[in-house]
Amino acid sequence: RKEVEQDPGPFNVPEGATVAFNCTYSNSASQSFFWYRQDCRKEPKLLMSVYSSGNEDGRFTAQLNRASQYISLLIRDSKLSDSATYLCVVRPSGRRALTFGSGTRLQVQP
Amino acid sequence: SAVISQKPSRDICQRGTSLTIQCQVDSQVTMMFWYRQQPGQSLTLIATANQGSEATYESGFVIDKFPISRPNLTFSTLTVSNMSPEDSSIYLCSFLGLAGADTQYFGPGTRLTVL
Repeated sequence: RKEVEQDPGPFNVPEGATVAFNCTYSNSASQSFFWYRQDCRKEPKLLMSVYSSGNEDGRFTAQLNRASQYISLLIRDSKLSDSATYLCVVRPSGRRALTFGSGTRLQVQP
Repeated sequence: SAVISQKPSRDICQRGTSLTIQCQVDSQVTMMFWYRQQPGQSLTLIATANQGSEATYESGFVIDKFPISRPNLTFSTLTVSNMSPEDSSIYLCSFLGLAGADTQYFGPGTRLTVL
């Protein structure tokens, strides 16, 4: 079983749509959780950290369910510029390096 | 946040040769890492570059194939040795900032093609 699992997509949505991505992780002792965004042929960049209480940054909302070992990202009012691959990322307990999911590709269409 | 650069940005190499990738951060960082991203795949950690000592390698990666140096807190190199086409990938360096920082930043990557 992979440490971090994501639906690879692609998710093809129209502009203005709301889209949700889910992710599960296998190590129950994992301590930190993130969503990174990776544009084509670019390096990953931090989109947002994910906290147990849930957190929101503009159109983006991230939630963590530790009991189910499940992380989600909700994007509201999708823009063309949101088209990218969204990586679910976990920092396992006792490690400083990150473990990446395989990514979910989003394509927002006009 | 610190700025991180890599050289070369891309290269095309012949089978059996070696390539050294350089990673430079413009401020001192506590930890540096090297990742590989094969075509269509996500990132896989190769090793943690330790300042002044041998790197710590992940399962499936060995020092003879991927020697790493980190002579100071701002610079590291990764060598891909005796290359084969299977080594064609993007290689990314990454760092954690100040002690206790939780966010990991990535360099722009080196796109390697082995013929």
